[in-house]
Amino acid sequence: QSALTQPASVSGSPGQSITISCTGTSSDVGGYNYVSWYQQHPGKAPKLMIYEVNNRPSGVSIRFSGSKSGNTASLTISGLQAEDEGDYYCSSYTSSSTPLVFGGGTKLTVL
Amino acid sequence: QLQLQESGPGLVKPSETLSLTCTVSGGPISSSSYYWGWIRQPPGKGLEWIGSISYSGSTFYNPSLKSRVTMSVDTSTNQFSLKLSSVTAADTAVYFCARQHSSGYHDYWGQGTLVTVSS
Repeated sequence: QSALTQPASVSGSPGQSITISCTGTSSDVGGYNYVSWYQQHPGKAPKLMIYEVNNRPSGVSIRFSGSKSGNTASLTISGLQAEDEGDYYCSSYTSSSTPLVFGGGTKLTVL
Repeated sequence: QLQLQESGPGLVKPSETLSLTCTVSGGPISSSSYYWGWIRQPPGKGLEWIGSISYSGSTFYNPSLKSRVTMSVDTSTNQFSLKLSSVTAADTAVYFCARQHSSGYHDYWGQGTLVTVSS
């Protein structure tokens, strides 16, 4: 069982917006602004999409945005495109015995 | 452009030690701004952080693996390494190396290497 909880799957049609949640505790997501999000396509390495809750690395589309409220972080993808289909993972720094944890991952399907 | 590349045996026998090396190119590994991490992904499953090491050799390990993990760094060759002892089938996974920032995010990743534990 992952330390951070994500929905197993989400789906949306092209052009729509979707949000993926990542729920933790006050020891991780709620306690630090150190949440990151990754996109992974089959057979590929994860790609950093958001870091420190709401920062986009250079080259990542502005359609991707991050936020946090309490112990839950969220990744929103607007104007959904077919290429957005894949697996998404959140990660957080934590004050627990494990310094860094990942969520279980969410499979995004573009209908 | 920073690039990372994992290398090592793709098949390891149960109870033996898994050894992987990550070669960093396009930038020095000896930067105090970053750590160098290992993450693994069992087939069809999610990501698991194994641990990270600084250029000076300070290590941080996942407690669930700590008793079996050893990481090292060689600034002369711009490489860092992972050793995982007493492996079982549960250690079969794609192993990624990555550059890790102090706040925990990984911005550059290797392509990953599949390590299968089997006799």
